[in-house]
Amino acid sequence: NAGVTQTPKFQVLKTGQSMTLQCAQDMNHNSMYWYRQDPGMGLRLIYYSASEGTTDKGEVPNGYNVSRLNKREFSLRLESAAPSQTSVYFCASSKALWDRAVTQYFGPGTRLLVL
Amino acid sequence: AQSVTQLGSHVSVSEGALVLLRCNYSSSVPPYLFWYVQYPNQGLQLLLKYTSAATLVKGINGFEAEFKKSETSFHLTKPSAHMSDAAEYFCAVSGGGGSRLTFGEGTQLTVNP
Repeated sequence: NAGVTQTPKFQVLKTGQSMTLQCAQDMNHNSMYWYRQDPGMGLRLIYYSASEGTTDKGEVPNGYNVSRLNKREFSLRLESAAPSQTSVYFCASSKALWDRAVTQYFGPGTRLLVL
Repeated sequence: AQSVTQLGSHVSVSEGALVLLRCNYSSSVPPYLFWYVQYPNQGLQLLLKYTSAATLVKGINGFEAEFKKSETSFHLTKPSAHMSDAAEYFCAVSGGGGSRLTFGEGTQLTVNP
């Protein structure tokens, strides 16, 4: 039981390049989330998926797109990377979006540097 | 809408001393509150959560937190700090948006020998 896995662990991009961050969970969770972590700002929600086939914008969606490929996988795409997207990206999952008490489980993160 | 404020971006304590990390929240609905810990170069893991049952919540590694509605606070404490407690700690609230979390800015805890 690996929990939430993310690839790659670290990536360097040049401004304007594109890339996709991959996330997978093996806990049979319905809901998945993408956050970015920046110093002094905590974690901010980029996009989330309540269930397979649905996605919604979070607090900071500009410059990103997501795909809920199936129940296990939720990818985050940067179409044209900008230096402001230099951050640590975390994927998380939970049993159900509607349950406010449910715990979110986090992956180990992807460190992205955009030059 | 909901928000979380963590007072003190850096807290330093001596090994064996009391740990107190402060969290105040704002929520338009009765809040559910969470403390997560992040060890260096790792993801976040849950320490404890308040979900409207007992106001004093006990978590892993000897941590506990008390929900005080009158003070809109959910401070994290541990009676005796250990070197292994050095990490970043995040308070979070889930409100009207289901299990979507709003995080505080984080508090970096340093434990000195």
